[in-house]
Amino acid sequence: GEDVEQSLFLSVREGDSSVINCTYTDSSSTYLYWYKQEPGAGLQLLTYIFSNMDMKQDQRLTVLLNKKDKHLSLRIADTQTGDSAIYFCAESIRRGGSGGYNKLIFGAGTRLAVHP
Amino acid sequence: DAEITQSPRHKITETGRQVTLACHQTWNHNNMFWYRQDLGHGLRLIHYSYGVHDTNKGEVSDGYSVSRSNTEDLPLTLESAASSQTSVYFCASSPRRSGSNNEQFFGPGTRLTVL
Repeated sequence: GEDVEQSLFLSVREGDSSVINCTYTDSSSTYLYWYKQEPGAGLQLLTYIFSNMDMKQDQRLTVLLNKKDKHLSLRIADTQTGDSAIYFCAESIRRGGSGGYNKLIFGAGTRLAVHP
Repeated sequence: DAEITQSPRHKITETGRQVTLACHQTWNHNNMFWYRQDLGHGLRLIHYSYGVHDTNKGEVSDGYSVSRSNTEDLPLTLESAASSQTSVYFCASSPRRSGSNNEQFFGPGTRLTVL
């Protein structure tokens, strides 16, 4: 099936690390994404990881992928108030064989609240 | 700079009216998508298109239609608006159909209220 699950809410103190978790169901996922949505805005791509990688680091962001458990996490180091937003996990799955297409399945989003 | 825009940003309409939401991108992307965002559901795919004159139904397509007469635009039409269609609508585009990274670029959204 096609399903991506995330916890809906996370609260952290400014300066601490945030870890947002995601589980997905489709083992054929090729890429996995983290998008950020700020209030009143569209989604912006934060980072992505190819399914044959275990980890990807990009400045304050670390993505960990456990393909066996179909678990993806996003760690934000030194979380700032500007990181307050909704974070969406998405998996890219392929349908239709060699002439087919990739499709993104989104989770419901995790609202990150950063407090002083 | 290339971009993706949506209009209007906010719309209030009445039940039964026809409504069209516009989406325009200047990246020359082949692929375009419409999603709706509702609390607890994340983004759900309504319709998508992989090129001019190509349209496909997503997971929540009932009550919606799209047409693709050129590369830049994918308007979304609600034939007879219902209160259940009150939502925030996002348009997105991507440059590739298959192969590697499938990143999608999102518009700012349209908040639609059906009374």
